[in-house]
Amino acid sequence: GENVEQHPSTLSVQEGDSAVIKCTYSDSASNYFPWYKQELGKRPQLIIDIRSNVGEKKDQRIAVTLNKTAKHFSLHITETQPEDSAVYFCAAPLRVNNDMRFGAGTRLTVKP
Amino acid sequence: DGGITQSPKYLFRKEGQNVTLSCEQNLNHDAMYWYRQDPGQGLRLIYYSQIVNDFQKGDIAEGYSVSREKKESFPLTVTSAQKNPTAFYLCASGTSGTYYNEQFFGPGTRLTVL
Repeated sequence: GENVEQHPSTLSVQEGDSAVIKCTYSDSASNYFPWYKQELGKRPQLIIDIRSNVGEKKDQRIAVTLNKTAKHFSLHITETQPEDSAVYFCAAPLRVNNDMRFGAGTRLTVKP
Repeated sequence: DGGITQSPKYLFRKEGQNVTLSCEQNLNHDAMYWYRQDPGQGLRLIYYSQIVNDFQKGDIAEGYSVSREKKESFPLTVTSAQKNPTAFYLCASGTSGTYYNEQFFGPGTRLTVL
């Protein structure tokens, strides 16, 4: 069925290293791809998003890349810091239903 | 963040009881959503509404009901038919249709069945 798949489910890196999280989507009509960060016990908050008319977007240490042909998009975090530790969710709209579908999440741990 | 609120923060339900979770937004968003989050899991869509007086079932609507009588409000009722309701419930609002934008999440309600 229509879905957003996210990998890996857990990711552990050393402080200062880079982290990459990947998502694939199935609805070729999807045109908006957000990434959310959720700290323990708190609400998800948007950290970066990209629309289908661009291939890459960067905001300081965070970047998102989009490959529309392959229907996947990735979150890149460089120079990771312990405060980057959280669960990260990708999402994509399901146009036939007009709702937003989320990936299962990636638990990122940055070791000091 | 302050534009969408949920209450209560914690809720305890006895077996066989219906409970209603409140969600209010002052962001003038047409779309509102309810998600369920279980420990270590992602966000599963329960119900969503694109416009007042209209709503659609998500992936796990069984045992839940909603109403959308006002643009600002989208309450969720967890009925006794929901056999395993203990979870963290998140409400969100946003724009949709031809131009998607960020979904803003409320602080969540943690529901526990006693």
